Amino acid sequence: SQQGEEDPQALSIQEGENATMNCSYKTSINNLQWYRQNSGRGLVHLILIRSNEREKHSGRLRVTLDTSKKSSSLLITASRAADTASYFCASEYGQNFVFGPGTRLSVLP
Amino acid sequence: EPEVTQTPSHQVTQMGQEVILRCVPISNHLYFYWYRQILGQKVEFLVSFYNNEISEKSEIFDDQFSVERPDGSNFTLKIRSTKLEDSAMYFCASSLLNEQFFGPGTRLTVL
Repeated sequence: SQQGEEDPQALSIQEGENATMNCSYKTSINNLQWYRQNSGRGLVHLILIRSNEREKHSGRLRVTLDTSKKSSSLLITASRAADTASYFCASEYGQNFVFGPGTRLSVLP
Repeated sequence: EPEVTQTPSHQVTQMGQEVILRCVPISNHLYFYWYRQILGQKVEFLVSFYNNEISEKSEIFDDQFSVERPDGSNFTLKIRSTKLEDSAMYFCASSLLNEQFFGPGTRLTVL
């Protein structure tokens, strides 16, 4: 499997529910970042978690990092229709990123 | 708030033609990157640039690609002889330290 794999590939939930997306990576990283991409648009940086951190919060976002399992999760609480987008994790090695294939989140009103 | 800008937003070209994609990174940033995203697929790293030279490139970044920072503000990606499979979104990014800021992308369509 590839570096920076996300699962699930697609997730559909009702507004107000929580959405959890997972990401795995292969080798040691400096940090891991989550990005959001609305359909056909650019990448928006959401949150960065360093290799020595275990959890980070930003508004309705919560990111965890488990370096022993080489995995990270992104939790969006109380989802809104506007959260509908693709979410990518990007694991950083040196100065470069390896992106996962992304999770397509659909939040239904 | 400073941002990375890219032009054009959409470029249509004929196979075999040369294209130049332009980016203006955030002014005090030191590292510059190009990525591409083929429709429906994941974002792929192409090249990173620091101190006026390529610091790393992927296997995608072959001899038909080149990058340049011609005037201290622009950062360009040139594709010498485009192929159909070069059709993709091309994202420029810049960083000062760890966090990369992405531009809105240029959609390249090769006919």
